[in-house]
Amino acid sequence: AQSVTQPDIHITVSEGASLELRCNYSYGATPYLFWYVQSPGQGLQLLLKYFSGDTLVQGIKGFEAEFKRSQSSFNLRKPSVHWSDAAEYFCAVEGQAGTALIFGKGTTLSVSS
Amino acid sequence: GAVVSQHPSWVICKSGTSVKIECRSLDFQATTMFWYRQFPKQSLMLMATSNEGSKATYEQGVEKDKFLINHASLTLSTLTVTSAHPEDSSFYICSASSLAGTGGVVEQFFGPGTRLTVL
Repeated sequence: AQSVTQPDIHITVSEGASLELRCNYSYGATPYLFWYVQSPGQGLQLLLKYFSGDTLVQGIKGFEAEFKRSQSSFNLRKPSVHWSDAAEYFCAVEGQAGTALIFGKGTTLSVSS
Repeated sequence: GAVVSQHPSWVICKSGTSVKIECRSLDFQATTMFWYRQFPKQSLMLMATSNEGSKATYEQGVEKDKFLINHASLTLSTLTVTSAHPEDSSFYICSASSLAGTGGVVEQFFGPGTRLTVL
């Protein structure tokens, strides 16, 4: 069965510092991979996605993620965090095209000044 | 890009009443729509998969008689919470599948969510 693990429940980063949020997945083949961000009381916003091809994916708001098949990981990175990045971040996988997404439990990002 | 809307965005109802939530794909046809539920401080959990013109497929533990799903057209799916109780208070989010442009990849697009509070 597919599963997604986000090992870090809560991360605090200083404004201007770099960020890496971890995501590991379990799936027999290469799944479709996603990162979403959710602000309190809001819906999901897609940051980036990986379907195939280049394993380094660029997204919106300066985020990028790297798919590493050998590690079953899809970690999200940002070189310099802004206070407005404070939110909940979800990693998700889609096994077969057109099936429901399986979400990780999320990582709460706090940004300190 | 593909847009999915939900209505209402928030609703407060009394215990025992029914609430209908609409999910619409505004600029594309969606053969499949998904309904998720998100409790406070938790992740999204799939409730059911809805295919146009057929019965929804519910996840284990989701009462199909309580959460009625209708997918009558390629652009509209509705979720009705029947005889709602306070424990049904949650954030309900739908998504719709669409065949994206490049490479024929099927993508999902999420609605903004509906916050249900049952008093």
